[in-house]
Amino acid sequence: DIQMTQSPSSLSASVGDRVTITCRASQGFGDYLAWYQQKPGTRPKLLIYAASTLQSGVPSRFSGSGSGTDFTLTISGLQPEDFATYYCQKYNSVPPTFGGGTKVEIK
Amino acid sequence: EVQLVESGGGLVQPGRSLRLSCTASGFTFGDHAMSWFRQAPGKGLEWVGFIRSTDYGGTTKYAASVKGRFTISRDDSKSIAYLQMDSLETEDTALYYCGRGSIWFGDLLADYWGQGTLVTVSS
Repeated sequence: DIQMTQSPSSLSASVGDRVTITCRASQGFGDYLAWYQQKPGTRPKLLIYAASTLQSGVPSRFSGSGSGTDFTLTISGLQPEDFATYYCQKYNSVPPTFGGGTKVEIK
Repeated sequence: EVQLVESGGGLVQPGRSLRLSCTASGFTFGDHAMSWFRQAPGKGLEWVGFIRSTDYGGTTKYAASVKGRFTISRDDSKSIAYLQMDSLETEDTALYYCGRGSIWFGDLLADYWGQGTLVTVSS
C-alpha cells in the first residue's frame, strides 16, 4: 500500500502568514490527491481535489500543487478561521490513505 | 442541500456487534458510492471501506484492519448506507463518519461528510 507522509505535523503561524504543508507519497499515483480541513469537533471538509482544483466555495487563498509523489497545500494570507488540522489523501485506488495531519496553530 | 446523518453509535462490549446507519438527503443517493471513515480519539482519519453504486455492482472494499469483521451495505430505496460491525475490538473505538463519493472525480473522493457517530468498545 502507498504511504502518505505529511510535514510538518504541526506549525505555529500568525494571521496573514503564508503557510505551506507538504505531503509525500511512497509511490507515485498521478494527481489523485485531496486536501481536507478539519476544525476541532467538526467533520472534515474537502478543500482541494485533483491536487490543485479548489472545491466549490473554498476561498482562493487556498491552493494546491504537485503530482506523482510530492504535493503541497499553500494558504496565502492565513485567516483566523484557517486554524485547523489539514489532511492529504490519495484517492486513486484502495486503500485511499490519509496523511497523518498537520495542525496549524496560532502563534 | 446535501446532508448525511450517521446514527447507531454507542457503548458496546468487546466481541459484540453494532450497526451504524448513514441517512442521506439532498441528492440522488443511488448515483453515488458511499464510504465509511473513522477517527480514534485524538488521532487522524482512517478509511474503513466503501460500497459502489448499484449501477456499478454495489461492490465493496475494506481496510485490512476491518476486513472480515465489518460489512457495508446500502438501501437505495431509503437512501441509507449501513456499516455492520462484528467482533468489535477496543481498537475500533472511534468517531465513525460516512462520506459521499464523487460521481465525476472518483468514488473514493468524499466530497461531503456526515457529522459522525461515536462508537466506544469497552468492557
